[in-house]
Amino acid sequence: QKEVEQNSGPLSVPEGAIASLNCTYSDRGSQSFFWYRQYSGKSPELIMSIYSNGDKEDGRFTAQLNKASQYVSLLIRDSQPSDSATYLCAVSGGGADGLTFGKGTHLIIQP
Amino acid sequence: SQTIHQWPATLVQPVGSPLSLECTVEGTSNPNLYWYRQAAGRGLQLLFYSIGIGQISSEVPQNLSASRPQDRQFILSSKKLLLSDSGFYLCAWSVTRGGETQYFGPGTRLLVL
Repeated sequence: QKEVEQNSGPLSVPEGAIASLNCTYSDRGSQSFFWYRQYSGKSPELIMSIYSNGDKEDGRFTAQLNKASQYVSLLIRDSQPSDSATYLCAVSGGGADGLTFGKGTHLIIQP
Repeated sequence: SQTIHQWPATLVQPVGSPLSLECTVEGTSNPNLYWYRQAAGRGLQLLFYSIGIGQISSEVPQNLSASRPQDRQFILSSKKLLLSDSGFYLCAWSVTRGGETQYFGPGTRLLVL
């Protein structure tokens, strides 16, 4: 059974600092990796996708993938109070079936 | 651009009553479609996915069913709701190649009493 593990938090980070969110997955055949942000009561929205080892940067967000260690991370630079949300890590095997999600990390940015 | 709609937004139903939730996608053809459920304190659970009209794959045995009567329409149903069916139901779509990014609709919050 495919599993995706995340620390549930809450992770509290001061405004302007770097927030680091981590995720591990069990299926070595996983090919696609995603980070979604979910505000309370809302549906998940895509933040980043990453498919190959290394770093991928998009604005204040950087996704990091290490397939050998089965590890994915998301860094948020210059954290803002609006970044306070639950961050979901999701993994795909590459087929048409659905994503496997972690339970999410609750991030709190303290002003 | 693509848009995904879900309705109703919220629903309160008694135990044993039927259920029908609808999802439609605009701006794309032949999408893969998905139903997920997010229960309180739990992660997103894949319920069903569909790669085309009339093609439904079930991930979890339960009293729910899904149908895809049209290319961009996906329906989640139940004949008799259970208390454990309460949750946040999310529809998502992706392009047909597989393994691609999924985009979520606004969701339906269901409370079974």
